Amino acid sequence: EVQLLESGGGLVQPGGSLRLSCAASGFTFISYAMTWVRQAPGKGLEWLSDVSASGTDTYYAVSVKGRFTISRDNSKNTLSLQVNSLRVEDTAVYYCARHFYGSGFSPFDYWGQGILVTVSS
Amino acid sequence: ENVLTQSPGTLSLSPGERATLSCRASQSVRNNHLAWYQQTPGQAPRLLIYGASSRATGIPDRFSGSGSGTDFTLTISRLEPEDFAVYYCQQYGSSEYTFGQGTKLDIK
Repeated sequence: EVQLLESGGGLVQPGGSLRLSCAASGFTFISYAMTWVRQAPGKGLEWLSDVSASGTDTYYAVSVKGRFTISRDNSKNTLSLQVNSLRVEDTAVYYCARHFYGSGFSPFDYWGQGILVTVSS
Repeated sequence: ENVLTQSPGTLSLSPGERATLSCRASQSVRNNHLAWYQQTPGQAPRLLIYGASSRATGIPDRFSGSGSGTDFTLTISRLEPEDFAVYYCQQYGSSEYTFGQGTKLDIK
């Protein structure tokens, strides 16, 4: 069974940083591109970042480029998102998800349960 | 950025009725790389349709997708109680993936 489990969220002050993690199991992690998506309270879905299966290629939404960094450790089946210079508007539930195909340009077929990040003073 | 606009914002229907949800893109979606997701309160989104018209694994055949280019439709032929949720379209044809703002399907 495919499972994705996020961790690392919580309350952080504006300007602060967090490192979100996503532990993957039940599939061959190294074979799939992975992604992060967020959802502000009561709002829609926003794609944030992608990483290729090998980890060599990364992509970012314009809204987070330069502040967020995606990475993966294929030896530990773990996806990460380093989020810096946090703003109040970054408050959201952050989801990790798997690409349907091994490469990008495919939809997201498995999602974690999400982790809440709250940015507030 | 390829902006996706969903309509209507809210759709109020009764179980057994047919639902038609629309998603319009500001630019043609490359290779019809268009997906639909369902989200119920407190849950992660679930992939329903990909490639504009292919059902994901385990999705009932009352869900169908159609369209090409810039205009896409999700149809639910006969609504079941569990279908009342929020539905999002997503394009994954360009390197910056985008989602529509969602259509909330309410029980009338």
